[in-house]
Amino acid sequence: LAKTTQPISMDSYEGQEVNITCSHNNIATNDYITWYQQFPSQGPRFIIQGYKTKVTNEVASLFIPADRKSSTLSLPRVSLSDTAVYYCLVGGDSGGYQKVTFGTGTKLQVIP
Amino acid sequence: NAGVTQTPKFQVLKTGQSMTLQCAQDMNHEYMSWYRQDPGMGLRLIHYSVGAGITDQGEVPNGYNVSRSTTEDFPLRLLSAAPSQTSVYFCASSSIGGRAYNEQFFGPGTRLTVL
Repeated sequence: LAKTTQPISMDSYEGQEVNITCSHNNIATNDYITWYQQFPSQGPRFIIQGYKTKVTNEVASLFIPADRKSSTLSLPRVSLSDTAVYYCLVGGDSGGYQKVTFGTGTKLQVIP
Repeated sequence: NAGVTQTPKFQVLKTGQSMTLQCAQDMNHEYMSWYRQDPGMGLRLIHYSVGAGITDQGEVPNGYNVSRSTTEDFPLRLLSAAPSQTSVYFCASSSIGGRAYNEQFFGPGTRLTVL
């Protein structure tokens, strides 16, 4: 399974765009990149997933460069309610279901 | 749909006691898993299952047993509780198929304290 590296924590002011980068140097050809969000005292929630280039949904954008060795989760104009831990996962189902493991994530603190 | 439900929400055990954490889902998902989350830490995979009768170990399986007799239920058994098992336990489920990890749906968690 590809190992991921994320910053442990980040601070941002309300209204700013936040970019969280995840490094995954040994990503495999079949691997996808998936991000989850976890609020305190709750289970994680799926945010976005991509394979290459750019993916956008109503919550976030995911940017993946051509070499796919890193990815960036972009949250536009964050609010206090975006304070959470964000996890980057790399992997996929290649013929048999793989273990889905989480790292330690990035704790985002949004400041008023 | 109730999604993923877990019982109990809170539990206090004494060292050496055993108990079962219950997890059920009503989405007909093949994949179910158990994670533990220690304070300030990420989630660590304990056991997972890809269907009834099929289970496998995750990153931290010692001290825990699982079984999957139905698609809906995936109980986690603590054989002899230890203080090191004090944690929040999350159950999750997802469908299987496709090339990517399918979206996992998480339960509300069980907060376990072992004295």
